[in-house]
Amino acid sequence: DTEVTQTPKHLVMGMTNKKSLKCEQHMGHRAMYWYKQKAKKPPELMFVYSYEKLSINESVPSRFSPECPNSSLLNLHLHALQPEDSALYLCASSLAGTGGQETQYFGPGTRLLVL
Amino acid sequence: QKEVEQNSGPLSVPEGAIASLNCTYSDRGSQSFFWYRQYSGKSPELIMFIYSNGDKEDGRFTAQLNKASQYVSLLIRDSQPSDSATYLCAAFQGAQKLVFGQGTRLTINP
Repeated sequence: DTEVTQTPKHLVMGMTNKKSLKCEQHMGHRAMYWYKQKAKKPPELMFVYSYEKLSINESVPSRFSPECPNSSLLNLHLHALQPEDSALYLCASSLAGTGGQETQYFGPGTRLLVL
Repeated sequence: QKEVEQNSGPLSVPEGAIASLNCTYSDRGSQSFFWYRQYSGKSPELIMFIYSNGDKEDGRFTAQLNKASQYVSLLIRDSQPSDSATYLCAAFQGAQKLVFGQGTRLTINP
């Protein structure tokens, strides 16, 4: 089973709202990732967690706040977003997160619209 | 120079023919390479991965890797209309950062 789940599927929020995206996997993977994908562009890495610790932050604005409460769960907290943050947010996971260059499995994504 | 480069297409191939998708990468430290398929409005789906020079076959798909030329390709044999999608080539920059090409939009014409 290579399933990564994400909720919600769609989210509309105003610029003053606070919301959270959730990602879950039960494959025993120890690395989890957040990507952002704008229309007609490839996914771009935002954050990487390895063994519940933040290992990569690709200079993402502080209005995006990741959290990894346990090895199966990854959250992305959103606050004071801008309309240009509207995109498909993808979560991915991989097996061990050490040594690297592993296959990453993507969830279905959350389509976010910021008004 | 972009880390991973693909011809954005669109690439149009008749049904039953071979579709050939190409990708080059700049980081010689990359060891693993991936092809993802993405249908419009959906998330990327892993098609193939390849680590070693040469060919790797999986059903109708063949991935080819040439590390000396920093070149990766994907062949789709007996193309079907359901293969119409954007194909993303990806390579690692460092241990955990997966970098994607711009994607090649493939259309299979019945």
